[in-house]
Amino acid sequence: DAGITQSPRHKVTETGTPVTLRCHQTENHRYMYWYRQDPGHGLRLIHYSYGVKDTDKGEVSDGYSVSRSKTEDFLLTLESATSSQTSVYFCAISESDRGWDTQYFGPGTRLTVL
Amino acid sequence: SQQGEEDPQALSIQEGENATMNCSYKTSINNLQWYRQNSGRGLVHLILIRSNEREKHSGRLRVTLDTSKKSSSLLITASRAADTASYFCATGEIQGAQKLVFGQGTRLTINP
Repeated sequence: DAGITQSPRHKVTETGTPVTLRCHQTENHRYMYWYRQDPGHGLRLIHYSYGVKDTDKGEVSDGYSVSRSKTEDFLLTLESATSSQTSVYFCAISESDRGWDTQYFGPGTRLTVL
Repeated sequence: SQQGEEDPQALSIQEGENATMNCSYKTSINNLQWYRQNSGRGLVHLILIRSNEREKHSGRLRVTLDTSKKSSSLLITASRAADTASYFCATGEIQGAQKLVFGQGTRLTINP
């Protein structure tokens, strides 16, 4: 699993509350990614980072923000959670300096927004 | 938008048979990858094939890539119950940001 952990693993929250998910890697990989997985949609990229304080949007970034103040941590924040953000969230890293090479995934966070 | 489109969406076969899954994509790629996901778990990388390669093997896995048709296939030979999982293709696009675009996956069920 390339030393990737996600926290929390499960979370139930209410509509309108802010939520922060954490992805932590034990090595100094440059590229980190946040995806969401929903039935019928596969994995969709939310945001990614190519270095400390260097982030960019993916295809489903509305309602999400990210921060990367340290190489090992990549935080995903739902500023005001909505029911449509109920999903399983996966963090991933790329071991190479090319974001399109092999990615390694964390175990996922199951988020339910009531 | 999704780059890779897998076919079929679901496949059910008997243990010992071969399983073939297909992936089509739309743009120019650096590479194409296949991942497996067991229920409730994260994705696990299986194999990567670069755009200048046509075929690649890894154990019981065989991947082909046809860049002229923008398609790839994953063959699992002599399937086992443990192969039951969802399989996703992902493409590394040449243009734009360095990231992967995943398809929606094929759900493979191996019946004992």
